[in-house]
Amino acid sequence: QQQVKQSPQSLIVQKGGIPIINCAYENTAFDYFPWYQQFPGKGPALLIAIRPDVSEKKEGRFTISFNKSAKQFSLHIMDSQPGDSATYFCAASMMSGTASKLTFGTGTRLQVTL
Amino acid sequence: NAGVMQNPRHLVRRRGQEARLRCSPMKGHSHVYWYRQLPEEGLKFMVYLQKENIIDESGMPKERFSAEFPKEGPSILRIQQVVRGDSAAYFCASSPPGGRVTFFGQGTRLTVV
Repeated sequence: QQQVKQSPQSLIVQKGGIPIINCAYENTAFDYFPWYQQFPGKGPALLIAIRPDVSEKKEGRFTISFNKSAKQFSLHIMDSQPGDSATYFCAASMMSGTASKLTFGTGTRLQVTL
Repeated sequence: NAGVMQNPRHLVRRRGQEARLRCSPMKGHSHVYWYRQLPEEGLKFMVYLQKENIIDESGMPKERFSAEFPKEGPSILRIQQVVRGDSAAYFCASSPPGGRVTFFGQGTRLTVV
């Protein structure tokens, strides 16, 4: 059972465009939603994260929009650059004791062209 | 402050051999997680450990896989009698107690030939 669904699988945008990546979750116990960026051969790096009591969060060119009633959240990358070309993963977690176990989406491969 | 350190970065094993993957968490982090990433797929949770304790191993295959986080030294993910299907990137992550932010290492890419 896939608890976090991510789309699209791949995305090509031109430099300066605004790619949007969408995720939907099923478990309402999730209360923390991070996005990770991964370059080939590297580990995932935390980009930005949001909690469900907030509808939007911005950090630099990255914005998360969150719709709690629809159980959906999305990542927008403003003024995208070729250096943003990477795979992006959404995730969701809940606390279990003192642990925060992440459930990941399947990833979106983004290519930003010149 | 060094990040999560994993070694080796690449590991090649023949079918039937054992693979040992090591992970040192970030300084001050007492929670270690192991995730597996198959080619073209997302990361799947395997196991969560604290010092000397396995807290949640719900994602670990029932056979051949084991993990430990001893009082001294790094966390170890051990895969016995490896098979071709074990070929994947294995990522270690760590977080502070009660913390939500999880940091990942660079991964160990295991190839079984």
